[in-house]
Amino acid sequence: KQEVTQIPAALSVPEGENLVLNCSFTDSAIYNLQWFRQDPGKGLTSLLLIQSSQREQTSGRLNASLDKSSGRSTLYIAASQPGDSATYLCAVGWRGYQKVTFGTGTKLQVIP
Amino acid sequence: EAQVTQNPRYLITVTGKKLTVTCSQNMNHEYMSWYRQDPGLGLRQIYYSMNVEVTDKGDVPEGYKVSRKEKRNFPLILESPSPNQTSLYFCASSPRTSGRVEELFFGEGSRLTVL
Repeated sequence: KQEVTQIPAALSVPEGENLVLNCSFTDSAIYNLQWFRQDPGKGLTSLLLIQSSQREQTSGRLNASLDKSSGRSTLYIAASQPGDSATYLCAVGWRGYQKVTFGTGTKLQVIP
Repeated sequence: EAQVTQNPRYLITVTGKKLTVTCSQNMNHEYMSWYRQDPGLGLRQIYYSMNVEVTDKGDVPEGYKVSRKEKRNFPLILESPSPNQTSLYFCASSPRTSGRVEELFFGEGSRLTVL
């Protein structure tokens, strides 16, 4: 079964700290992986999309990596700010399927 | 502005009263999908459509209907809503490359309460 796991479910860090969010998936036959941010009661905002042929993608203070062999992606946030507080979700698009599976997310709180 | 628009954003209804949640995208995307989000369960796919007149069941299709008569619109229909359909609903769209789903773009969500 194709599953996506995000651990921990919640994370609290002081402002300015660099942090890593994790996303694990059970099937290495992925097509792409997307990271999203969700603010309370709001929609999902796309942060980064990594194709299966790529190792990483960067946007500003965010860097996402992909290791298909270990079934893992990480989202690195540099110099965290209170405005980064949100829930972060990863979503895996599977090769051979018109399907995307979401993790349950990591709720991040950055304390001023 | 490229966007996915859902309406209504908030709705309170009663058991059995048919309702439709509309979804429209202005990016000429082939792929559209509906998800529901519940605490502890994450986002689960209800239905998806790979193109006009092509729809397929997701993981939790029971109690829902969809149609895709035009490329830009993908309404979600609850024929006889029940309290267990109280949830936050999201519509998403995506271009398709070589038949694969690419970057997903989400609407703002529709919070539905069924009494």
